Amino acid sequence: GAVVSQHPSWVICKSGTSVKIECRSLDFQATTMFWYRQFPKQSLMLMATSNEGSKATYEQGVEKDKFLINHASLTLSTLTVTSAHPEDSSFYICSLKGGLEYEQYFGPGTRLTVT
Amino acid sequence: GQNIDQPTEMTATEGAIVQINCTYQTSGFNGLFWYQQHAGEAPTFLSYNVLDGLEEKGRFSSFLSRSKGYSYLLLKELQMKDSASYLCAALDSNYQLIWGAGTKLIIKP
Repeated sequence: GAVVSQHPSWVICKSGTSVKIECRSLDFQATTMFWYRQFPKQSLMLMATSNEGSKATYEQGVEKDKFLINHASLTLSTLTVTSAHPEDSSFYICSLKGGLEYEQYFGPGTRLTVT
Repeated sequence: GQNIDQPTEMTATEGAIVQINCTYQTSGFNGLFWYQQHAGEAPTFLSYNVLDGLEEKGRFSSFLSRSKGYSYLLLKELQMKDSASYLCAALDSNYQLIWGAGTKLIIKP
């Protein structure tokens, strides 16, 4: 399967600041990437679907002006959490869509703590 | 609506067998996944079933019944390292993954 990296793996930021999380595909050109959020003891929640060269499609209830997604190339997608608040503290995971419809390869995740 | 149900937590003994059940209701169906997730880590792929029946892969097996909207993950010869959350996810008609909340499996010596 594809190798996916995320950077940073963990970050602590102050309330009101912005944080950028990078998701890179190291060996696969991904036209579609997904961004998930997972709160403790809860399931993965899809935030948005990111397509290379076009605007991301956000799930209902996810603020597109707060969670900025840029899929600039076939190997890089970024998620920027703007004006972060403590309730944005979560585990953010990206995945990319593989060659077959059902394949998804996950990154290692980024743990964000907003103080 | 779309829904995935699986038990919140299960406990089993090292060396034993455990079965984790999952029921699903989705708009269309294109297969069912099981993922393993250790605390603080991303999910890792275990299995994918799209046809009825049992798929065996080493100590892990996964079963699917499309008519019943039911799947299970069977773990044999349990090891302490199998302590993790196990996530069931169904692929709907739009090829979007619908995730269950996960089953936390606790292995005791």
